[in-house]
Amino acid sequence: DIVMTQSPRSLPVTPGEPASITCRSSQSLLHSNGYNYLDWYLQKPGQSPQLLIYLGSNRASGVPDRFSGSGSGTDFTLKISKVEAEDVGVYYCMQALQPQLTFGPGTKVDIK
Amino acid sequence: QVQLVQSGAQVKKPGASVRISCRTSGYTFTSYEIGWVRQAPGQGLEWIGWISGYNGNTRYAQKVQGRVTLTTDTSTTTAYMDLRSLRSDDTAVYYCARGTTVTRGYYYMDVWGRGTTVTVSS
Repeated sequence: DIVMTQSPRSLPVTPGEPASITCRSSQSLLHSNGYNYLDWYLQKPGQSPQLLIYLGSNRASGVPDRFSGSGSGTDFTLKISKVEAEDVGVYYCMQALQPQLTFGPGTKVDIK
Repeated sequence: QVQLVQSGAQVKKPGASVRISCRTSGYTFTSYEIGWVRQAPGQGLEWIGWISGYNGNTRYAQKVQGRVTLTTDTSTTTAYMDLRSLRSDDTAVYYCARGTTVTRGYYYMDVWGRGTTVTVSS
């Protein structure tokens, strides 16, 4: 199975400031079709996960443009340009390249 | 709007089985997959499997393969997850999610149910 790691595991943030989370995979997630099979999900406190980014860099419907995804191969980044209080929660990356889907361990984002 | 409504919480004894339902509405059931993900208390997300709303084809996580069965009922646009031989480490919140494809062989989970708590305890 592809192993996903994330850093940092905990990220205190200040509203209005930028924030960044890194996700790394044990194998390249770049498909022969040119897409990176890497998604980002956010689980807000007490809620179900929600899709933020799919195929590495595509914002899901309704996701604010302060969220962006980048990277290729084994190294990916989720950036929040200006954190808002509603962005707190646990962020997970997930690989969808192999049939056995695997999530990263999560990064907990909270307000300083 | 698109909705996935899951059945209620259940408490089971070790060795028993559990069935969770995921009733969908607001979209064409047969044009999407249904994914299942679980989350043990205080832990991260774990993918369980996919089932096609179109033809019922399934794919399971190796960790639960042999104990889990995913099915669908297209007449009621409902998906089901059956998990057998329950163990204490199956205690978790189980989520169903709609799987949407944008390229062959790839699905993202764009609409999620609220989750069903399954507690396995003697």
